[in-house]
Amino acid sequence: IVLTQSPGTLSLSPGERATLSCRASQTIRSSYLAWYQQKPGQAPRLLIYGASSRATGIPDRFSGSGSGTDFTLTISRLEPEDFAMYYCQQYAASLLCSFGQGTKLEI
Amino acid sequence: QLQLQESGPGLVKPSETLSLTCTVSGGSISGSTYYWAWIRQPPGKGLEWIGSIYYSGSTHYNPSLKSRVTISVDTSKNHFSLQLTSVTAADTAVYYCARRSPQFNCFDPWGHGTLVTVSS
Repeated sequence: IVLTQSPGTLSLSPGERATLSCRASQTIRSSYLAWYQQKPGQAPRLLIYGASSRATGIPDRFSGSGSGTDFTLTISRLEPEDFAMYYCQQYAASLLCSFGQGTKLEI
Repeated sequence: QLQLQESGPGLVKPSETLSLTCTVSGGSISGSTYYWAWIRQPPGKGLEWIGSIYYSGSTHYNPSLKSRVTISVDTSKNHFSLQLTSVTAADTAVYYCARRSPQFNCFDPWGHGTLVTVSS
């Protein structure tokens, strides 16, 4: 399953709302769609699992939604620390995993 | 708090075998229903799943790497390992290990990652 993220780069200002898209080439189970944040020189950090559940310690300005082939990560009010790379990830019923190519959120 | 730490050579010659180990602390590899995974990231590029293993030894591999990859687990040492054979410059990447939730099939936590460069 191929995950396509859009846009490739998103330029916004602190305080604005960010909407990141992840589209799958086939229908996937919502339970198996996750979002990660990665900052330069750091490992990815789990933000959202099961398409819409926030991981432990993740602020409530981060939210996930979607089903089928279209999923969205929304950051309601951008903080300076939110500017980073974001990846979606899925696990197919065949137990094979794939990541999207990423969206760079820049100031 | 569960922590994962990758270790292994930072430089591997072309055509040789890349070998890395991920040591798990703060929890037992065999004491849960979690899977354990390897993921890599070439410099400046995105994430690529390599494969996963259960403590019993059951494995799943990325089809694009399957012919060259072996992931194994040593429960007595509480670590799991990656071997990638016949490496080329295209295998140069930061290699991460991570725990995979069986319920939601997501990765958390991750190790800090280790850069492996393939060069003569």
